[in-house]
Amino acid sequence: DVKVTQSSRYLVKRTGEKVFLECVQDMDHENMFWYRQDPGLGLRLIYFSYDVKMKEKGDIPEGYSVSREKKERFSLILESASTNQTSMYLCASSGDSNQPQHFGDGTRLSIL
Amino acid sequence: EDKVVQSPLSLVVHEGDTVTLNCSYEVTNFRSLLWYKQEKKAPTFLFMLTSSGIEKKSGRLSSILDKKELSSILNITATQTGDSAIYLCAVSSGANSKLTFGKGITLSVRP
Repeated sequence: DVKVTQSSRYLVKRTGEKVFLECVQDMDHENMFWYRQDPGLGLRLIYFSYDVKMKEKGDIPEGYSVSREKKERFSLILESASTNQTSMYLCASSGDSNQPQHFGDGTRLSIL
Repeated sequence: EDKVVQSPLSLVVHEGDTVTLNCSYEVTNFRSLLWYKQEKKAPTFLFMLTSSGIEKKSGRLSSILDKKELSSILNITATQTGDSAIYLCAVSSGANSKLTFGKGITLSVRP
């Protein structure tokens, strides 16, 4: 079974802090993704990566950056957290383009 | 801009009922359509559909894609309370198989 692990289930941070969300997958997948999920808006893609050190902007990249130094790990960075970044963050990974994405359990992030 | 629309947004049924969940899409470079079930945590994968008219089935759940109508349905027969969840439809498009999600359908199954 594919295992996608996100480092925290719940996280509370303050406005202006730099926040790191970590995601690790154990299936040697090339592709990794970060989404946020908000009521009434569904899942929206922030960034994705299809190889080590490669990254592509998704639909809502503003205020975020990412890092992929190793194949199994994909980090989402909030450079200066703001209250409108309070959300559920979901990480996913997939093998080649014909395979489904598999999700981690999510990190519920609150910015106070 | 790629778009995925699910309907209804929510519904409440009784155990034993059959439900049909709808998904329509407008995307460029369509690759596949996926259904996920989300309870309290991670969305879990249900089906991936690439060919029109071929039904995929898993127990009481089944799904079919209509590429002419740009839509898909997810059927659940003999519903159980454990089917209560948010059902997400997503469409994969482009070279990197980026997923565009619908807003989800909240299904509540009452005993």
